[in-house]
Amino acid sequence: DTGVSQDPRHKITKRGQNVTFRCDPISEHNRLYWYRQTLGQGPEFLTYFQNEAQLEKSRLLSDRFSAERPKGSFSTLEIQRTEQGDSAMYLCASSITGGTGNTIYFGEGSWLTVV
Amino acid sequence: AQKVTQAQTEISVVEKEDVTLDCVYETRDTTYYLFWYKQPPSGELVFLIRRNSFDEQNEISGRYSWNFQKSTSSFNFTITASQVVDSAVYFCALTTTGNQFYFGTGTSLTVIP
Repeated sequence: DTGVSQDPRHKITKRGQNVTFRCDPISEHNRLYWYRQTLGQGPEFLTYFQNEAQLEKSRLLSDRFSAERPKGSFSTLEIQRTEQGDSAMYLCASSITGGTGNTIYFGEGSWLTVV
Repeated sequence: AQKVTQAQTEISVVEKEDVTLDCVYETRDTTYYLFWYKQPPSGELVFLIRRNSFDEQNEISGRYSWNFQKSTSSFNFTITASQVVDSAVYFCALTTTGNQFYFGTGTSLTVIP
């Protein structure tokens, strides 16, 4: 399977715990994006990387959220001290640089439930 | 600022009927790209089509067709002879920079057999 891969697919955690999601993009894609989706809403942009550089992170929801892409390949999204409002699906997507409007391809998402 | 509006929250049709999903967008940029994605119950967003702002040609792909009209800032999606497998949530999206994509709230389509 050469699509975007996310892990874990489902995570239930207690409030206050830290969680980390992993994303493996399509192999030749140098851009990687994180989005969040809540019920009844469209995906909401969080951050993106071009290679290992995080070029936009102002949309991360709070300082409890952080993302890394240390070698320009896979990425992790960490949420510290989780709150019930963090319950959502976290989507990863990737694309290849080639001018604006490049299509982004999504993974299956990681569902987070904070109890 | 960029914005995408999908006014139809839910649509139900009987199998074999045609259905049109509406999308209205807002941007001040002259160069932009519009997209449609399908999200089945499994959750993965599946890319359907991309259209750039300089190409207003309508497109047809099998039972799917798209009508892009800059004059009304609309990019509507029609499914002809709908099938049960078309049941999903459909999202319209817009990007101007290719860095950030703006999605509508989605239209949930149910095709009744």
